[in-house]
Amino acid sequence: QKEVEQNSGPLSVPEGAIASLNCTYSDRGSQSFFWYRQYSGKSPELIMFIYSNGDKEDGRFTAQLNKASQYVSLLIRDSQPSDSATYLCAVKGAGNNRKLIWGLGTSLAVNP
Amino acid sequence: KAGVTQTPRYLIKTRGQQVTLSCSPISGHRSVSWYQQTPGQGLQFLFEYFSETQRNKGNFPGRFSGRQFSNSRSEMNVSTLELGDSALYLCASSTFSGQGPSGANVLTFGAGSRLTVL
Repeated sequence: QKEVEQNSGPLSVPEGAIASLNCTYSDRGSQSFFWYRQYSGKSPELIMFIYSNGDKEDGRFTAQLNKASQYVSLLIRDSQPSDSATYLCAVKGAGNNRKLIWGLGTSLAVNP
Repeated sequence: KAGVTQTPRYLIKTRGQQVTLSCSPISGHRSVSWYQQTPGQGLQFLFEYFSETQRNKGNFPGRFSGRQFSNSRSEMNVSTLELGDSALYLCASSTFSGQGPSGANVLTFGAGSRLTVL
């Protein structure tokens, strides 16, 4: 089992819908969770991160953590064609100097 | 504020050669991480430097090496290139010092150096 798993997709949603992306992780001691977006031919850029103590909302994006089931999700409300990209999940364990573990990413296509 | 600068952006090498890639982090960022990205393997962590010290290392062979200078600029070197080394090499900088909240290492990536080995 990979340490961080994502459904590769593609996930296809119509414009204006809610896109839901999930990421499961194996290290129960993981403390922080990151979502990055990568457009084709570009480098990853941070969307948001959350700690193990709660969810976060930022504009159209919401990150939610389910510690019991060991998954983190990213919800994109009112999806736009410009949201079409690959979404990478990264997880960091507890303590200092723990490196990020990355999923392979989920490809999202928002159809006009 | 200038972003993370990687050079060169594209390069073509042949098997057995070596290559050096350079990364200039965001001003004030002292941590630099290197990643290899390929379609099948995703983002694979190579190593991380902070204040000229290698703090973490991924599972890559010894042909992959790196260093960081006193101005936080970093270089990575790959010797005896193999076809499988063809990839996008990404550098990311952060302010993460290794102390404090574990989620503090938000990464800002450079545009990458795309290496093709023939």
